[in-house]
Amino acid sequence: AQSVAQPEDQVNVAEGNPLTVKCTYSVSGNPYLFWYVQYPNRGLQFLLKYITGDNLVKGSYGFEAEFNKSQTSFHLKKPSALVSDSALYFCAVRDRHTGFQKLVFGTGTRLLVSP
Amino acid sequence: DGGITQSPKYLFRKEGQNVTLSCEQNLNHDAMYWYRQDPGQGLRLIYYSQIVNDFQKGDIAEGYSVSREKKESFPLTVTSAQKNPTAFYLCASRNGGQPNTGELFFGEGSRLTVL
Repeated sequence: AQSVAQPEDQVNVAEGNPLTVKCTYSVSGNPYLFWYVQYPNRGLQFLLKYITGDNLVKGSYGFEAEFNKSQTSFHLKKPSALVSDSALYFCAVRDRHTGFQKLVFGTGTRLLVSP
Repeated sequence: DGGITQSPKYLFRKEGQNVTLSCEQNLNHDAMYWYRQDPGQGLRLIYYSQIVNDFQKGDIAEGYSVSREKKESFPLTVTSAQKNPTAFYLCASRNGGQPNTGELFFGEGSRLTVL
């Protein structure tokens, strides 16, 4: 079965500093990987995805993610963090079970950006 | 604007009562999903549906039921058999057409509290 792991429950970073939120995956076949963000009491918002092609994927709000096949990782990055980036971030992988697609989510990482 | 509407936003229930959470989408998406979110556990799949009048159990379907009588609607009933129903419930949909890379679109969620 496909799975993702987010090893950090929380990441703290000062505003203006670069941020990284880690994700590792376990899949059979080619991975389809996603990042979502959730603000308090809200639904999840899609940030970016990796399907194929360049290992560096650019997404919404200045976020990007680096796909590393040898390390089975898909870390989320941003060069300069904003206080408004503080939220819960989820990594996900596509799982095709009996021909039907679903997403399997990690447990989430809370990002706290301090002023 | 197209999107997914979940209602109610907040719901309180007494033990032993069934409650139904509404999910409506006007994105013309074929597939719809229900996830449950608990702190520290990420999102877990309850039920999913690929087409009208068809749905499948996810990883934690016990104590829940769904219907898919219309393409736009996928209501979730939390029955009295669900032992720990207090949670944040998220409905999502996916476009089944091509290109289909698997990302989901989420509603704003419904928070259920059992008193």
